Amino acid sequence: QKEVEQDPGPLSVPEGAIVSLNCTYSNSAFQYFMWYRQYSRKGPELLMYTYSSGNKEDGRFTAQVDKSSKYISLFIRDSQPSDSATYLCAMSEEVSGDMRFGAGTRLTVKP
Amino acid sequence: DGGITQSPKYLFRKEGQNVTLSCEQNLNHDAMYWYRQDPGQGLRLIYYSQIVNDFQKGDIAEGYSVSREKKESFPLTVTSAQKNPTAFYLCASSRGQGRQPQHFGDGTRLSIL
Repeated sequence: QKEVEQDPGPLSVPEGAIVSLNCTYSNSAFQYFMWYRQYSRKGPELLMYTYSSGNKEDGRFTAQVDKSSKYISLFIRDSQPSDSATYLCAMSEEVSGDMRFGAGTRLTVKP
Repeated sequence: DGGITQSPKYLFRKEGQNVTLSCEQNLNHDAMYWYRQDPGQGLRLIYYSQIVNDFQKGDIAEGYSVSREKKESFPLTVTSAQKNPTAFYLCASSRGQGRQPQHFGDGTRLSIL
């Protein structure tokens, strides 16, 4: 079993839809959780950064962390064609600093 | 603007050849990282460095080498011992390890001739 599991998709939605992206993990020591957006042939760009459980909102993006279920989510409201990209989840431990990445979910938002 | 610059964007390696990928950052970050990205897999850590003149092996260090002579620079050499080097290589940096989010360059795509 991988430490971080992420459905690779692909996921295709119409413009304006609400998108839900998810990751599960097995290591209870993870305390810091991140979502990155990666366009084709580019490096990942940090979207959201959260600590421990809870929600964080930034514009159309909301990140949720449920440590009891070892489950994190990224919601995108009013999705746009420019949101078409691969979304990577990442998480790290507080003590060791080890970071692990999901394989990424490829999202396409159709006009 | 501060950021991470990777060069070249595309690189081709012949059999038995060592190649070096460049990574420069002007974010004044202490920690720097090299990852390998293959289709369908998460980023895998090759090497990381928390401070100048010190670096540690990651999960897949075999066939790779690094140096950290300056805070801003963290070049990666893919040696001939790396038998499957075709991949997208990403360099990242952060203010510190673990707790701080990592910021990435735009990668180098390495292919075999």
